[in-house]
Amino acid sequence: QKEVEQDPGPLSVPEGAIVSLNCTYSNSAFQYFMWYRQYSRKGPELLMYTYSSGNKEDGRFTAQVDKSSKYISLFIRDSQPSDSATYLCAMNSNSGYALNFGKGTSLLVTP
Amino acid sequence: EPEVTQTPSHQVTQMGQEVILRCVPISNHLYFYWYRQILGQKVEFLVSFYNNEISEKSEIFDDQFSVERPDGSNFTLKIRSTKLEDSAMYFCASRQGAGTEAFFGQGTRLTVV
Repeated sequence: QKEVEQDPGPLSVPEGAIVSLNCTYSNSAFQYFMWYRQYSRKGPELLMYTYSSGNKEDGRFTAQVDKSSKYISLFIRDSQPSDSATYLCAMNSNSGYALNFGKGTSLLVTP
Repeated sequence: EPEVTQTPSHQVTQMGQEVILRCVPISNHLYFYWYRQILGQKVEFLVSFYNNEISEKSEIFDDQFSVERPDGSNFTLKIRSTKLEDSAMYFCASRQGAGTEAFFGQGTRLTVV
């Protein structure tokens, strides 16, 4: 079983829609959860960073972590064409250093 | 805004040649990383570096790879004898402390021919 699973998409939505992106994981030791946005052939850009379970909101973005279900989500409200990118989830444990990435979900927001 | 910078942005090398990828992490960060991403695949961890030594490495990081922090600002990844399968985007990342968020550079696209 892969440690981090993420539906690769592609996911296509109209401008203004609410987008839901998700990852599941198998390692119960993971405690730090991140969402990165990656444009083609560019480096991952940090969007959200959360610790343990709960919600975190930043502008149009909301990150949710449900450790009991080993499930994390990123919601994007009022999506814009500029949000079109690949979204990567990443996580690690308290004592570990390496980030474990999902494969990324490709998002296309159409005008 | 502070950022991780990587050079070169693109490097083409012949199989068997040595390459050095360079990174300048964010200045007050203490933990440094190299990751790679083969086209169409997920970002994979290679190595982490803290307090002037390797703190963790993956099975990908074999004897042909090495890292160095030659001065107070640079962090390098050397691939001794490149193979075709080393072709990938290589990302440097840094973080201020354990458990804090990691910031990535824009990457070096390595093409081995």
